[in-house]
Amino acid sequence: DQQVKQNSPSLSVQEGRISILNCDYTNSMFDYFLWYKKYPAEGPTFLISISSIKDKNEDGRFTVFLNKSAKHLSLHIVPSQPGDSAVYFCAATKSNFGNEKLTFGTGTRLTIIP
Amino acid sequence: ETGVTQTPRHLVMGMTNKKSLKCEQHLGHNAMYWYKQSAKKPLELMFVYNFKEQTENNSVPSRFSPECPNSSHLFLHLHTLQPEDSALYLCASSQGLRGRGTEAFFGQGTRLTVV
Repeated sequence: DQQVKQNSPSLSVQEGRISILNCDYTNSMFDYFLWYKKYPAEGPTFLISISSIKDKNEDGRFTVFLNKSAKHLSLHIVPSQPGDSAVYFCAATKSNFGNEKLTFGTGTRLTIIP
Repeated sequence: ETGVTQTPRHLVMGMTNKKSLKCEQHLGHNAMYWYKQSAKKPLELMFVYNFKEQTENNSVPSRFSPECPNSSHLFLHLHTLQPEDSALYLCASSQGLRGRGTEAFFGQGTRLTVV
């Protein structure tokens, strides 16, 4: 049973437009959520996170929104740039466990079209 | 050198071979992890070490044997693997502080192929 789901395996967005990546979770115990970005032949790199006490966290071009009632989070990238082309993983954890129980989604491949 | 470093980057091994994957972190972190990424599957947590003590073994077969001699180094010893064990093996580290929800930093991974 997959507790973190990224239902869109791929997404293509025009350069300069907004990219929206979605993630759903089923475990109501999760209270900390992270987005990772992965380029080919590299490990995932941390992008942005959000605690369940917030519904929005912004860092430059990246904003993560959390809708606890819907168990849904999304990552917005605006404006999208060619360097944003990568696979994006959503992850979730119960913060009492630190990072020991990071549960990942399957990833969404984002392609930014110049 | 900074960050999390994994060697080798690529490994091809036969089912009867014994090999080891190495991970080293230069971030002063106290927790280290092994993850497995198979094609079209989410990253799966395999092992967790906190302050050199194994705190999690996520039902991993005994043909995978981790070793953490100190908080900066982590090994994954492999023996009598199966072709379905072919995957990207990722090492990660974090501060390991409970209740902080701090992010993990990943190495570049070892692409393992079992023939």
